[in-house]
Amino acid sequence: SQTIHQWPATLVQPVGSPLSLECTVEGTSNPNLYWYRQAAGRGLQLLFYSVGIGQISSEVPQNLSASRPQDRQFILSSKKLLLSDSGFYLCAQGALGATQYFGPGTRLTVL
Amino acid sequence: AQRVTQPEKLLSVFKGAPVELKCNYSYSGSPELFWYVQYSRQRLQLLLRHISRESIKGFTADLNKGETSFHLKKPFAQEEDSAMYYCALKGAGANNLFFGTGTRLTVIP
Repeated sequence: SQTIHQWPATLVQPVGSPLSLECTVEGTSNPNLYWYRQAAGRGLQLLFYSVGIGQISSEVPQNLSASRPQDRQFILSSKKLLLSDSGFYLCAQGALGATQYFGPGTRLTVL
Repeated sequence: AQRVTQPEKLLSVFKGAPVELKCNYSYSGSPELFWYVQYSRQRLQLLLRHISRESIKGFTADLNKGETSFHLKKPFAQEEDSAMYYCALKGAGANNLFFGTGTRLTVIP
């Protein structure tokens, strides 16, 4: 069965600093991968999704970016964090027409 | 455009009482609907999907295309049901899910 790893689990960063969150998937090949953000008081928001290596689609314009250097690795980055980037970031994977499975998440606090 | 609406941010019920978490959607085609749950300090996990027509942990949800709803129901709420519940929609041929803003259910002992 598939397992999704995310790290770090928690992160506190100052405004203007860079960001790199990593997600890796085990137990499946060529997965569709997703980055979601869960901000305080708001629901889940899809940020990026990827159907393969080097293929990234952005759902929401912002100062975040995503990359997929390997089949089972999905990275969320920022060059300069904003206060509004604080939130809970979830990586998920799921095949077309099937369910989505979520990682444990990373809680990011930008001060 | 796809849209998922959960009108209640907070819902409190007494243990043993029936519970209904509302979800309405907007989609022009034939969607797949899901309910996800997030218990305190745990990851988001799939609760049920309409295609399976299953009952998980006593919860059921029926897709009503006429009313464009997918309400989650349980006849007798338990304390361990307290959690955040998200309704989600996947459009036909789409690569992603659209989530509602979630409903926090609190079951009062």
